[in-house]
Amino acid sequence: NAGVTQTPKFQVLKTGQSMTLQCAQDMNHNSMYWYRQDPGMGLRLIYYSASEGTTDKGEVPNGYNVSRLNKREFSLRLESAAPSQTSVYFCASSEGSLNTEAFFGQGTRLTVV
Amino acid sequence: AQKITQTQPGMFVQEKEAVTLDCTYDTSDPSYGLFWYKQPSSGEMIFLIYQGSYDQQNATEGRYSLNFQKARKSANLVISASQLGDSAMYFCAVGRALTFGSGTRLQVQP
Repeated sequence: NAGVTQTPKFQVLKTGQSMTLQCAQDMNHNSMYWYRQDPGMGLRLIYYSASEGTTDKGEVPNGYNVSRLNKREFSLRLESAAPSQTSVYFCASSEGSLNTEAFFGQGTRLTVV
Repeated sequence: AQKITQTQPGMFVQEKEAVTLDCTYDTSDPSYGLFWYKQPSSGEMIFLIYQGSYDQQNATEGRYSLNFQKARKSANLVISASQLGDSAMYFCAVGRALTFGSGTRLQVQP
């Protein structure tokens, strides 16, 4: 049972380049999330999708776009990467109700030079 | 808006002793869930325990328990009988789209 799978695991970008982080879950969860974690800090919500076909901004959405491709997949796109976007990115999924935990992918370590 | 405050950046505990990690929260939601996650040095996020805002009893899960005081808006994690493998970052979070605190780094000493 794979759970939440993120690709790639590591990426180095030059300033101004674009890329898409992929995330897929096989737990039939309704809700999916993208977080970023900067060194020594907690996770901050970038975007989330409460259900297929919907997306909403989180705490730090600037510089990112998302697509909920279907129930399984939720991608995060950086259109023009900046050094400030150097971080570890986590995708997560949950059933979406109040009392269910989120399951996390293993993270993508992104460096923008 | 929701906010989580974890005031202990780092904690030390002796192996086999109990330790309490503090968490206070602020939310305008009438019903909410509180979660604790563990992040070892390998980086993955591991769910530990959940507390519902209307649960009458404090949550327990093996060696983990929550000291939930709703009026004070606090949800402290208690780890009993600490083990070396408990050394990690611990994060408190609230809500459906989780809002995380800044975390507490716990180091268990032999």
